Amino acid sequence: DTGVSQDPRHKITKRGQNVTFRCDPISEHNRLYWYRQTLGQGPEFLTYFQNEAQLEKSRLLSDRFSAERPKGSFSTLEIQRTEQGDSAMYLCASSIGQGFEQFFGPGTRLTVL
Amino acid sequence: AQSVTQLDSQVPVFEEAPVELRCNYSSSVSVYLFWYVQYPNQGLQLLLKYLSGSTLVKGINGFEAEFNKSQTSFHLRKPSVHISDTAEYFCAVSEYMYSGGGADGLTFGKGTHLIIQP
Repeated sequence: DTGVSQDPRHKITKRGQNVTFRCDPISEHNRLYWYRQTLGQGPEFLTYFQNEAQLEKSRLLSDRFSAERPKGSFSTLEIQRTEQGDSAMYLCASSIGQGFEQFFGPGTRLTVL
Repeated sequence: AQSVTQLDSQVPVFEEAPVELRCNYSSSVSVYLFWYVQYPNQGLQLLLKYLSGSTLVKGINGFEAEFNKSQTSFHLRKPSVHISDTAEYFCAVSEYMYSGGGADGLTFGKGTHLIIQP
């Protein structure tokens, strides 16, 4: 399958722990996006990369959230000191060129106890 | 900053009837408009997009949408729905990035749950 993949698909953690999610975009897609989706809401844009450069990060929810894409291929999203309010589905999307069609992965569902 | 309003959280429709899902947006700059569909237990899939040109755009599965700049709307329509169209539908907008070109991250509405009744 050559679609966007995310790992893990589910993560349960205790409040205060750090978690890291991985996203592998479609091969040769230069743009990679992270979103968060809570129950009953549409996805909320967090950040995005063009190759390895993070072009938008002002919408990351707090300084506990950070993302990297060190070699311009896969990306990681880290949440430090998790809180119960961080429980959500975290979506990754990738696109080629100017980003007019974003392909979404299946998401990582985070549950913070 | 842009925003998207989907006025209906749920739309029940009988099978083979027409449907319209409403979407209004606000933005101070040029925008790109999208409709995504999320089937149960599946990821988001692009239905159609408006970038420029003809205001009537056609997408997959018989859906179409019309961009109305004066009313800042991008309503989704299908002339005859099928049971398999049961899903969550999201309208989304992206602003043009003057610095790097192309689309910024998407701003989504809250979604409309389309329920097809036999």
